[in-house]
Amino acid sequence: DGGITQSPKYLFRKEGQNVTLSCEQNLNHDAMYWYRQDPGQGLRLIYYSQIVNDFQKGDIAEGYSVSREKKESFPLTVTSAQKNPTAFYLCASSIDAGTGGVNEQFFGPGTRLTVL
Amino acid sequence: QQPVQSPQAVILREGEDAVINCSSSKALYSVHWYRQKHGEAPVFLMILLKGGEQKGHEKISASFNEKKQQSSLYLTASQLSYSGTYFCGTRAGNTGKLIFGQGTTLQVKP
Repeated sequence: DGGITQSPKYLFRKEGQNVTLSCEQNLNHDAMYWYRQDPGQGLRLIYYSQIVNDFQKGDIAEGYSVSREKKESFPLTVTSAQKNPTAFYLCASSIDAGTGGVNEQFFGPGTRLTVL
Repeated sequence: QQPVQSPQAVILREGEDAVINCSSSKALYSVHWYRQKHGEAPVFLMILLKGGEQKGHEKISASFNEKKQQSSLYLTASQLSYSGTYFCGTRAGNTGKLIFGQGTTLQVKP
């Protein structure tokens, strides 16, 4: 079955540690996105990538880093510089990043990160 | 920049109708609607494009007023399964970047 997988579902880390969240898709989508969701709030864009080896900062990129070495993978690293990392992180993908297409975003199941 | 959704919360009985609104201060290229159940991923409902094109589920209807930069999602004859938080996402340019509203929580009771 095609889809987006995120692992792990729950993640606990000590303050000051970097942590990498996995996102893999087998939909052959060009574009991938990372969002952060806090309780009672909408989704805020952290980073997005329209093509392999290229990515752009979203609205809240500080304290995060990404890579896009393969089309199907877009891992997110939450660094120790991120002041409030505890949140629900969602990865998404779409066929492409715009160019006039009617391209919905497909979301993974999310990773709930708790920093102790 | 973030679109504003209204109302923030709605409680309905099964079979009743609801309208959820999304307003932006910027000229929009398209509006996306998603529904999220608690603890789950958002699920795509509908896209409305500038110029009138739409794509979405047959049982969901929505409108997009380009001049007012507003969109409305119409939920008719609501079912228990409609419960969740509804988000609109807006695109102001020709990229895939979406800006999401704060969400509208819908609860449908028997």
